Amino acid sequence: DQQVKQNSPSLSVQEGRISILNCDYTNSMFDYFLWYKKYPAEGPTFLISISSIKDKNEDGRFTVFLNKSAKHLSLHIVPSQPGDSAVYFCAASAFQAAGNKLTFGGGTRVLVKP
Amino acid sequence: KAGVTQTPRYLIKTRGQQVTLSCSPISGHRSVSWYQQTPGQGLQFLFEYFSETQRNKGNFPGRFSGRQFSNSRSEMNVSTLELGDSALYLCASNDIGTSGRYEQYFGPGTRLTVT
Repeated sequence: DQQVKQNSPSLSVQEGRISILNCDYTNSMFDYFLWYKKYPAEGPTFLISISSIKDKNEDGRFTVFLNKSAKHLSLHIVPSQPGDSAVYFCAASAFQAAGNKLTFGGGTRVLVKP
Repeated sequence: KAGVTQTPRYLIKTRGQQVTLSCSPISGHRSVSWYQQTPGQGLQFLFEYFSETQRNKGNFPGRFSGRQFSNSRSEMNVSTLELGDSALYLCASNDIGTSGRYEQYFGPGTRLTVT
């Protein structure tokens, strides 16, 4: 039962253009969402997050949009750079009185062409 | 601050053996989580430890276990290894961020190959 899904396994985009990564979730208890970037042979690095009380969060070239009614979020990278080529994971968590558990999507491999 | 350290980085084991992986979190962080990454299943949560106590557990068989020491260092153990246990095992060092929610900082992982 995949509670977080990234339906596009890969994405190819030209340098300077916009990259749009999508993520869907099914668990209505999720109230905090994160995007991570992963290079080969390295652990994931945190990019940006959004709380369910917001519908948009922006940090530099990265913007995350949340549509709670559709249970959908997206990550926009503008402009895309060759160094953005990596695997991107969407993750979600539900508030817990104690502790922390992230549920990850399967990842989207992004290739930015020069 | 030093980052998250995981040892060893690479490991080859035979079916039926057991393995112990180690994680040293960021100094001051008391929570450590473990994840398994495989091509077919993606990143899956194994368990989380806080102050030497397991407070969250994923859906993995009892062959997967862990512990945390008083200095917050954590180990995970897999007994009776199966071919399907071949994966990248990631440790995350957790701390509450400005949002009031935990922020996770991942180590480079241990690549386990079971033959």
